[in-house]
Amino acid sequence: QKEVEQNSGPLSVPEGAIASLNCTYSDRGSQSFFWYRQYSGKSPELIMFIYSNGDKEDGRFTAQLNKASQYVSLLIRDSQPSDSATYLCAVNTGTASKLTFGTGTRLQVTL
Amino acid sequence: EPEVTQTPSHQVTQMGQEVILRCVPISNHLYFYWYRQILGQKVEFLVSFYNNEISEKSEIFDDQFSVERPDGSNFTLKIRSTKLEDSAMYFCASSVEIISNQPQHFGDGTRLSIL
Repeated sequence: QKEVEQNSGPLSVPEGAIASLNCTYSDRGSQSFFWYRQYSGKSPELIMFIYSNGDKEDGRFTAQLNKASQYVSLLIRDSQPSDSATYLCAVNTGTASKLTFGTGTRLQVTL
Repeated sequence: EPEVTQTPSHQVTQMGQEVILRCVPISNHLYFYWYRQILGQKVEFLVSFYNNEISEKSEIFDDQFSVERPDGSNFTLKIRSTKLEDSAMYFCASSVEIISNQPQHFGDGTRLSIL
């Protein structure tokens, strides 16, 4: 069973702080890694994706990938109350293949 | 920005009845997917579809499920005889693979409630 593991949280951070969300995966054949944000009752919304080892930055978001450790993370700088949501880590093993999701980490940004 | 659209947003059906969930993928996308999310659980893959045939399906996608692209724009998921445990949010997603590993974009989902 190929798994994607996330701490379910909640992760509570004060407004303006950095939120760090982590994800590990079991399938060494995983090639692409995605972070989706999901508000309660809503659909997953793509935040970032990363394919290569290292960091990828997009605005306040940075995705980090370490394939040797089978670890991917998402950093959110200057966290805002509107960032409060569940963050889903998803991986796939190649072109057009299915996404395997983790259970998600609930982030709470407090005033 | 183009988006995946799903109808209806909420479907209530009696157990044993057939239900069809509809999706219009993003127009230049070539790969289509259905996922489901039972309340409080993780998003689970059901099926992927490319070039008018199923590419991959999960154990959940048994003989009660089918998918179809009846015309150039719609992509449907049919559940033939619904069970209580089919109650979930169903998400359609699509991606374009001209460049490999392009992300999947999700629709707003259909909440299916089986009574």
